[in-house]
Amino acid sequence: SQQGEEDPQALSIQEGENATMNCSYKTSINNLQWYRQNSGRGLVHLILIRSNEREKHSGRLRVTLDTSKKSSSLLITASRAADTASYFCARLNSGGYQKVTFGTGTKLQVIP
Amino acid sequence: DVKVTQSSRYLVKRTGEKVFLECVQDMDHENMFWYRQDPGLGLRLIYFSYDVKMKEKGDIPEGYSVSREKKERFSLILESASTNQTSMYLCASSLWGTGGPGELFFGEGSRLTVL
Repeated sequence: SQQGEEDPQALSIQEGENATMNCSYKTSINNLQWYRQNSGRGLVHLILIRSNEREKHSGRLRVTLDTSKKSSSLLITASRAADTASYFCARLNSGGYQKVTFGTGTKLQVIP
Repeated sequence: DVKVTQSSRYLVKRTGEKVFLECVQDMDHENMFWYRQDPGLGLRLIYFSYDVKMKEKGDIPEGYSVSREKKERFSLILESASTNQTSMYLCASSLWGTGGPGELFFGEGSRLTVL
């Protein structure tokens, strides 16, 4: 499969805790993006990290990228019930026609 | 704000029918994409386009075709719908970023049921 893998598939935490989601991929990338999807809706962009970056922050979000391990992680700190959603990573593959491919996602539930 | 509009939120079609899914974006984006989303499989890329009249196959193009006659419109066509094409279809658009497409903006999705 050209998709990577995200783990865990599902995650349930208490409000206030941190949530960590991981994304692995197989081919070289130009950038990696994280998206959020509320139930039955379109996806919303959260953060983009380029292949020459190692870490990026946006509010309560922290993304890391390790190109040697072909993996990325998304950390949501001090989670809120409103963070309940599915989270997807998307890879912009390098070379040739550059496809943007998504993983299978992590379903996060934040319990109030 | 960027708006990506998909023409139908819900469609029910019969096996063998020709189905058109329309997507329009209003921000002059060069790049447009069609994905389908199925439980447990995430989003899978069907077709994409980086310019008018240009199209490239994604990972699962079989049974689908696309048309991009105008920059703002990207249509997905199911020539003869089958039950295994029952799915949520998501359209997205983006500008060029550094080294390739940047942030994708998604429509709300079209849920297609083929009976």
